[in-house]
Amino acid sequence: DVKVTQSSRYLVKRTGEKVFLECVQDMDHENMFWYRQDPGLGLRLIYFSYDVKMKEKGDIPEGYSVSREKKERFSLILESASTNQTSMYLCASSAPGRYEQYFGPGTRLTVT
Amino acid sequence: GEDVEQSLFLSVREGDSSVINCTYTDSSSTYLYWYKQEPGAGLQLLTYIFSNMDMKQDQRLTVLLNKKDKHLSLRIADTQTGDSAIYFCAESIRSGGYNKLIFGAGTRLAVHP
Repeated sequence: DVKVTQSSRYLVKRTGEKVFLECVQDMDHENMFWYRQDPGLGLRLIYFSYDVKMKEKGDIPEGYSVSREKKERFSLILESASTNQTSMYLCASSAPGRYEQYFGPGTRLTVT
Repeated sequence: GEDVEQSLFLSVREGDSSVINCTYTDSSSTYLYWYKQEPGAGLQLLTYIFSNMDMKQDQRLTVLLNKKDKHLSLRIADTQTGDSAIYFCAESIRSGGYNKLIFGAGTRLAVHP
């Protein structure tokens, strides 16, 4: 079974703080994704990566950056957290040439 | 552009069938997916259908695809309280040389006694 883990289930940060969300997958997947989930809006793609040290912007990259130094790990960085970044953040991975994605449990981030 | 639409809520009685509907826009989608999200959890892949199929059955789940109308549905037979969750429909797209999924907003299924 594919296992995708995220570093925290719940996180509370203050406005202006730098926030790191970590995601690790154990299936040697090349593709990794970061989404945010908000009620009524579904999942919106923030960034994705198709290889180590490679990143592509998704639909809502503003205010975020990412890092992929190792194949199994994909980090989402909020350079200066703002209250409108309060959300559920979901990480996913997929195998090369495949569409189906496997998700981690999510991190619920609250920015106060 | 790509868009996936679902109704936001569905309430059914335990033991009845549930039907969750979805419409999508990209006629070139190769695969269409259903994911389930239980409270406080990530998304779990439930089932998928290849675009050249009309129907796929997997135990209590039946997926119907009307490619002409770009309409996808998920039927859950004998719905149980454990089926209470948010169900997301997703279409596959190929964009900029990359494989992606476009998700609907999710349908919250409430099962009551």
